[in-house]
Amino acid sequence: KNQVEQSPQSLIILEGKNCTLQCNYTVSPFSNLRWYKQDTGRGPVSLTIMTFSENTKSNGRYTATLDADTKQSSLHITASQLSDSASYICVVSEGNYQLIWGAGTKLIIKP
Amino acid sequence: NAGVTQTPKFRVLKTGQSMTLLCAQDMNHEYMYWYRQDPGMGLRLIHYSVGEGTTAKGEVPDGYNVSRLKKQNFLLGLESAAPSQTSVYFCASNPGTGAVYGYTFGSGTRLTVV
Repeated sequence: KNQVEQSPQSLIILEGKNCTLQCNYTVSPFSNLRWYKQDTGRGPVSLTIMTFSENTKSNGRYTATLDADTKQSSLHITASQLSDSASYICVVSEGNYQLIWGAGTKLIIKP
Repeated sequence: NAGVTQTPKFRVLKTGQSMTLLCAQDMNHEYMYWYRQDPGMGLRLIHYSVGEGTTAKGEVPDGYNVSRLKKQNFLLGLESAAPSQTSVYFCASNPGTGAVYGYTFGSGTRLTVV
């Protein structure tokens, strides 16, 4: 069964610290992997999209990595800011472009 | 630039009532989607459309109907609302397949069925 699992479910860190969120998937065939940021009460916003041949991609202070062999991805946030408080969702696209969504990691940044 | 606009933002329905959620996009995107988001779960696809006049079922289509009479609009209908349809509904669009596109989401409709 195609699944996307994220860990941890929630995370609290102090402003200015770094953190890493994990995503494991069992989706096959694999097309691409996406990370979205979802603020409370808002729709998801795309952070990165990585295809099979890409193993790292950055968007400002966000850096996503992909290991297609182990079917794992991570999202690293550097020098966190209060505005980074949100849910971060890992999404894997099947070969036919169907999206399999993870349940997300809720990140809280404390001052 | 508005992007994807959903109306209404909030709604409370009684069991058995009907309603229509409207999604409008101004980016000339071919593909449009309706998702529902429930606590502790990933987004689940209800219905989608790959172009004007076309619709297709997603993962959880039962109890919902859709129409795409105009390219910019995608309507989601609930004919007889049930408490299990209490959820946050998101509309999304993207330009189409053939390349890896990000999805643009609306801000959601929070629906409560009592």
